[in-house]
Amino acid sequence: EDQVTQSPEALRLQEGESSSLNCSYTVSGLRGLFWYRQDPGKGPEFLFTLYSAGEEKEKERLKATLTKKESFLHITAPKPEDSATYLCAGDDFGNEKLTFGTGTRLTIIP
Amino acid sequence: NAGVTQTPKFRILKIGQSMTLQCAQDMNHNYMYWYRQDPGMGLKLIYYSVGAGITDKGEVPNGYNVSRSTTEDFPLRLELAAPSQTSVYFCASRSLLGLGGNTIYFGEGSWLTVV
Repeated sequence: EDQVTQSPEALRLQEGESSSLNCSYTVSGLRGLFWYRQDPGKGPEFLFTLYSAGEEKEKERLKATLTKKESFLHITAPKPEDSATYLCAGDDFGNEKLTFGTGTRLTIIP
Repeated sequence: NAGVTQTPKFRILKIGQSMTLQCAQDMNHNYMYWYRQDPGMGLKLIYYSVGAGITDKGEVPNGYNVSRSTTEDFPLRLELAAPSQTSVYFCASRSLLGLGGNTIYFGEGSWLTVV
């Protein structure tokens, strides 16, 4: 059974303090590893899809990386507007469903 | 750019009532999904569809029904509402146009309270 585990559950950073969020996955045939941002009261907003180990993608202060067992979302010099819950999800070739982690709630303190 | 549109945004139901959550997408995506999100529990798949006329159960289908008569629309029906169905519901659609096109888009959510 596919599993996706995110850590930490919550993270508080000072503005400008860089850090990383972790997503560990067990997906038998990985078709893609997704990262989403979710603001309170909103639907998840697509950030990245990673397809193979070693791949990296960047968007503003965010960089996502992928290994064979984990994905990391690196946040460089974050700003308060980066505060949100970040979700990752694994996509399995064997079925049409995504498996989501429970998210990391990130708070950036001015 | 409408994307995925859900209605209603908020609804309060009494126990035993029925209702339909509407979902429409204008991106001509074949795949559509319904998720529910409870606090601290992540997104759980209720039902999904890989094309018009084809639907299948997800992790938590009990108490719900779906239909997919067109590519654009994927309504979720709640029969005999129960307090356990109090949640936020998200509809999503996906394009699978080769590896470069594997992207899933979510609607803004429907907040449902059953009292």
